[in-house]
Amino acid sequence: DSGVTQTPKHLITATGQRVTLRCSPRSGDLSVYWYQQSLDQGLQFLIQYYNGEERAKGNILERFSAQQFPDLHSELNLSSLELGDSALYFCASSTGGLGNQPQHFGDGTRLSIL
Amino acid sequence: GENVEQHPSTLSVQEGDSAVIKCTYSDSASNYFPWYKQELGKGPQLIIDIRSNVGEKKDQRIAVTLNKTAKHFSLHITETQPEDSAVYFCAALRRGNGGFKTIFGAGTRLFVKA
Repeated sequence: DSGVTQTPKHLITATGQRVTLRCSPRSGDLSVYWYQQSLDQGLQFLIQYYNGEERAKGNILERFSAQQFPDLHSELNLSSLELGDSALYFCASSTGGLGNQPQHFGDGTRLSIL
Repeated sequence: GENVEQHPSTLSVQEGDSAVIKCTYSDSASNYFPWYKQELGKGPQLIIDIRSNVGEKKDQRIAVTLNKTAKHFSLHITETQPEDSAVYFCAALRRGNGGFKTIFGAGTRLFVKA
């Protein structure tokens, strides 16, 4: 058990809809990272927050947004969903904010767009 | 660029044999190289990491080597066991305009035959 909790485990919705994925980091970790894993793209870094502030940004679509709350949990919002957004979405956490420390991953949210 | 190339994509070995997975990276500024193991239905789990000031690191049956000049690093698993069967990802940390990003290889699916 990594200590990182992601909810929900599975999400099925339709094109055009909006969903929110939630992540609770490991106790004591200040950084939260979001990744997208699809069959043809592998693990793609989306965004990182450190202690409530955006720290690094990857190839995150404008339809996607994230935030980290004062209690350090994070949410990833996906809107105007398209079929291609179907993927596994992982959250990871680490103690520091520079990315050069082990990241602890949750077990992901599987998003299916019908 | 931000590419991390990983080979092979699939590797099948007999129990007790060694397995080697190789990765190359493109950004000479990369300074942190973690390896993750992902089992079915789970998130990636860090198994070993190496920093750019070290050429080799070992942890029991797992070792990683880094050649900064050639920009490649490798994972070595000795005395493989069936429970080593999983997908393995290499990664490299680099700093870009959007902050520090972890770039993952495409993964190697390792099968250990009993």
